[in-house]
Amino acid sequence: DTGVSQDPRHKITKRGQNVTFRCDPISEHNRLYWYRQTLGQGPEFLTYFQNEAQLEKSRLLSDRFSAERPKGSFSTLEIQRTEQGDSAMYLCASSLGQGDTEAFFGQGTRLTVV
Amino acid sequence: AQKVTQAQTEISVVEKEDVTLDCVYETRDTTYYLFWYKQPPSGELVFLIRRNSFDEQNEISGRYSWNFQKSTSSFNFTITASQVVDSAVYFCALSEPSYGQNFVFGPGTRLSVLP
Repeated sequence: DTGVSQDPRHKITKRGQNVTFRCDPISEHNRLYWYRQTLGQGPEFLTYFQNEAQLEKSRLLSDRFSAERPKGSFSTLEIQRTEQGDSAMYLCASSLGQGDTEAFFGQGTRLTVV
Repeated sequence: AQKVTQAQTEISVVEKEDVTLDCVYETRDTTYYLFWYKQPPSGELVFLIRRNSFDEQNEISGRYSWNFQKSTSSFNFTITASQVVDSAVYFCALSEPSYGQNFVFGPGTRLSVLP
């Protein structure tokens, strides 16, 4: 296992369409995080999973966003009815432990909504 | 609320100069963790260091060193003899497991090392 992988790397979609991103964490990691990063800003927390349980969601995660982690392995992040403001880099990270260890990030999925 | 401040938006240095990136944090807890990440132009965040709140020893790793001072809530990062490959955006992050299980990132400092 070489690290966290995300797919696709780039996605261009029309406003109003639904998109889904996938994240495969480092295999033994029990925690999985989703972050969003816009140009010139630091990553902003969206949600995280402890194994298959989604334990925390940010207020940034509107009803149009949903994330799953079936069986505690890979995770998907879906955005419904995309808006131009959803254009950003979506980052996935994984870690061991209880928030006291470093997270390892994937290369991200860059979403452009036109 | 958790907050991480990186007051330096951009820094430019000439190769071989030393440079210090500042990080100031706010926390409600006595147990917390601090991190530095590097984001090169390729975009992937690369973990550099983790420090817990009970360990104030400074750390050196090659050309990198970190100065953690609880009295001033700072966790500064120094690159000695900078190189062009150090050019990147550097993020400081805070984790407070008692109050939330996520990492809070600062806005980042863009470092440009000129040849």
